[in-house]
Amino acid sequence: DIQMTQSPSTLSAFVGDRVTITCRASQSISSWLAWYQQKPGKAPKLLIYKASSLESGVPSRFSGSGSGTEFTLTISSLQPDDFATYYCQQYNSYSGTFGQGTKVEIK
Amino acid sequence: EVQLVESGGGLIQPGGSLRLSCAASGFIVSTNYMSWVRQAPGKGLEWVSLIYSDGSTYYADSVKGRFTISRDNSKNTLYLQMNSLRAEDTAVYYCTRERYSGPQGGASDIWGQGTMVTVSS
Repeated sequence: DIQMTQSPSTLSAFVGDRVTITCRASQSISSWLAWYQQKPGKAPKLLIYKASSLESGVPSRFSGSGSGTEFTLTISSLQPDDFATYYCQQYNSYSGTFGQGTKVEIK
Repeated sequence: EVQLVESGGGLIQPGGSLRLSCAASGFIVSTNYMSWVRQAPGKGLEWVSLIYSDGSTYYADSVKGRFTISRDNSKNTLYLQMNSLRAEDTAVYYCTRERYSGPQGGASDIWGQGTMVTVSS
């Protein structure tokens, strides 16, 4: 099975900061990677698919990059609504493994 | 409106069975990849099962042989039959629609609100 490792597990930042989250796959997944945002008590929301494609309706301050085994999610200017937990997920194989999550907290 | 609504969760004793339902509106379940994802209390997301549009099914090792994913095309509804439940199956269960498909799976663009399953005596 493909393992996904996110870093950091927790990130403290100020409103307006540029934030980067990293996700590494245990083997190449080409560009078959998605990023989700989850707020407490809510279902996850798709932000990015195919590593760098922005889902409709998602603000342009979110961007994704990478291919193969290393990927990043960047928030160009952190907004109050962005404090949440972020997950990566590979969908190269049918078992869509998730990373363990990165919690973005207010500093 | 495109949406998924889960139901069927609850408190069940270890070894018991439960069937979760996921009613879809605004799109056709049978023409999409559909999956179940769960989240134990305070934990991350775990993929559970997937059904392709051609009816092929796949399961996480942790539930293989105990859970069955299926759909009723006439009701436009997805199901997860869960047997031999264990304490470690306690979680919120989400159904999702997978789009932007890769070689074998897809990114989940639509999620239900989730239904809580608690396995405890």
